[in-house]
Amino acid sequence: GESVGLHLPTLSVQEGDNSIINCAYSNSASDYFIWYKQESGKGPQFIIDIRSNMDKRQGQRVTVLLNKTVKHLSLQIAATQPGDSAVYFCAEKGSGGYQKVTFGTGTKLQVIP
Amino acid sequence: DAMVIQNPRYQVTQFGKPVTLSCSQTLNHNVMYWYQQKSSQAPKLLFHYYDKDFNNEADTPDNFQSRRPNTSFCFLDIRSPGLGDAAMYLCATSREGGSEAFFGQGTRLTVV
Repeated sequence: GESVGLHLPTLSVQEGDNSIINCAYSNSASDYFIWYKQESGKGPQFIIDIRSNMDKRQGQRVTVLLNKTVKHLSLQIAATQPGDSAVYFCAEKGSGGYQKVTFGTGTKLQVIP
Repeated sequence: DAMVIQNPRYQVTQFGKPVTLSCSQTLNHNVMYWYQQKSSQAPKLLFHYYDKDFNNEADTPDNFQSRRPNTSFCFLDIRSPGLGDAAMYLCATSREGGSEAFFGQGTRLTVV
């Protein structure tokens, strides 16, 4: 079936460095691609999304890149901070009236002080 | 202020004893989701409601049922919990056409 998945299960980054988390997807019909952050014992928290007709979107310290040619999604975090330590999930939301949100495999980001 | 509230935060139930988890929202969103999340795994969608329309995932066991009596409330019923159903259960909401889903804190279910 169609799925969204990540390449790396764990990423360790020095505080202050930039982090890049990657995701591969297979459902080209998705309308949105989304990144969520999940801290231990909490529900996922929305970070940023990108619509399927865009290549790049920037937020506060975060940038999401979408490469539709190779079906690849990435999340860049600038100047990574200890509070960024969490599991990051990519997700996709269906197009049109189809409201399903499905998650890919997470990447655990560990920030080294 | 909490916008998606799940009760209880922790639930212990006996093997085979029916259990209900609840979710309420103050966002007036018309889409509500139930996810199951096991340790170190991604949330797995069980079903979702688009208004009153119920959408079950093909691989969701019959043991899992849901009710949505009104916009604000949604329930997850596990008819006969097995040891394999121990997990975090997450409720989320979104507005129609929006990309952001708002999650509750989850209910951690233990089956003994």
